Amino acid sequence: IAGITQAPTSQILAAGRRMTLRCTQDMRHNAMYWYRQDLGLGLRLIHYSNTAGTTGKGEVPDGYSVSRANTDDFPLTLASAVPSQTSVYFCASRILAGASGGELFFGEGSRLTVL
Amino acid sequence: KNEVEQSPQNLTAQEGEFITINCSYSVGISALHWLQQHPGGGIVSLFMLSSGKKKHGRLIATINIQEKHSSLHITASHPRDSAVYICAVLGGATNKLIFGTGTLLAVQP
Repeated sequence: IAGITQAPTSQILAAGRRMTLRCTQDMRHNAMYWYRQDLGLGLRLIHYSNTAGTTGKGEVPDGYSVSRANTDDFPLTLASAVPSQTSVYFCASRILAGASGGELFFGEGSRLTVL
Repeated sequence: KNEVEQSPQNLTAQEGEFITINCSYSVGISALHWLQQHPGGGIVSLFMLSSGKKKHGRLIATINIQEKHSSLHITASHPRDSAVYICAVLGGATNKLIFGTGTLLAVQP
């Protein structure tokens, strides 16, 4: 692994199904984020974690949950998928230190379609 | 009104032209990021800056903290520069990233 990896890259699932998007980074970044990207709306924060063991809600958290059991992994779970969760999901990470922290690193994205 | 506004939303240029993309924000910030996203592709960080100017190859980013404005310049543009360019600010009080909706750049040969 080099950098930050997301899986799957693409998924179609039926409404009501449970789905977990995986995100792993090997840069020892303390901060990790999940965003969704929708046309005309830009990137919106779903959940974040500033350090292993802690998580926080972003601007669009409803219907999603996350966990941060260790530094490297930050999975995003849709407990019961709905069509409005059709989107492209990006995981990101950075060093969170000092006033401004470090550069952002993004995964390649996961395209999710809920039918 | 969005806290981060980019202009223009869409830009078409001819190969070789000098390009400027603007970002204005309304909140206090501790840093500003410029990101690039190619069509159907991932997002990569171009610059992170909190003052002054940074240069990387043909790309230059400037920020004016007093005017709450940043610009991304591309010199000698090339079709491979065609992408969406996204400005994101790190809120000074909240430490949260706020994203603009992006500028879609198309450079024609």
